Amino acid sequence: NAGVTQTPKFRILKIGQSMTLQCTQDMNHNYMYWYRQDPGMGLKLIYYSVGAGITDKGEVPNGYNVSRSTTEDFPLRLELAAPSQTSVYFCASSYPWDDSSPLHFGNGTRLTVT
Amino acid sequence: EDQVTQSPEALRLQEGESSSLNCSYTVSGLRGLFWYRQDPGKGPEFLFTLYSAGEEKEKERLKATLTKKESFLHITAPKPEDSATYLCAVRWGEETSGSRLTFGEGTQLTVNP
Repeated sequence: NAGVTQTPKFRILKIGQSMTLQCTQDMNHNYMYWYRQDPGMGLKLIYYSVGAGITDKGEVPNGYNVSRSTTEDFPLRLELAAPSQTSVYFCASSYPWDDSSPLHFGNGTRLTVT
Repeated sequence: EDQVTQSPEALRLQEGESSSLNCSYTVSGLRGLFWYRQDPGKGPEFLFTLYSAGEEKEKERLKATLTKKESFLHITAPKPEDSATYLCAVRWGEETSGSRLTFGEGTQLTVNP
């Protein structure tokens, strides 16, 4: 049971380039999330999805896009990368977002935009 | 403003030296408080969920407690392998408006042998 798997682990982009961060989970969780983690700041929600075909914005969605065509996969797309997008990105999943459901996280993608 | 604050930012202990980490919150409609452990280069790993004031949860050397304004993560006789960043997250919101999950900034714990 792999849990939540993210690829790649590291990536360096030049300003203006685009890339897709991959995330897949094998726990049959309906809910999936993308967070970014910056030094000295709490995890910030970028986008989330409550099921295949349904996505919604979180706190910091600008500069990102997502899609959810299957229950397992939730890729995050960066268009026209900017230095402000340098961060560690975490994908997570959970059962329906009720009070008792903890998030299960992947091990992150460290992205540097120069 | 709804927020979650963890203190201290960093804590250095000697092996066996017990201490506590704090997570204070000012939110409307607490639905649950979560503690996670995060090792360098890894994603957060779930430890505990607390729902109401007075509740306590234990796991090995860790005990989490909850009051109406804050939660403590007590570490008893820590070992070097307890070194990690500990995150708290608060799920909050009224029944009619849905819930949100807000993370604190974390406490970086180092336990020296």
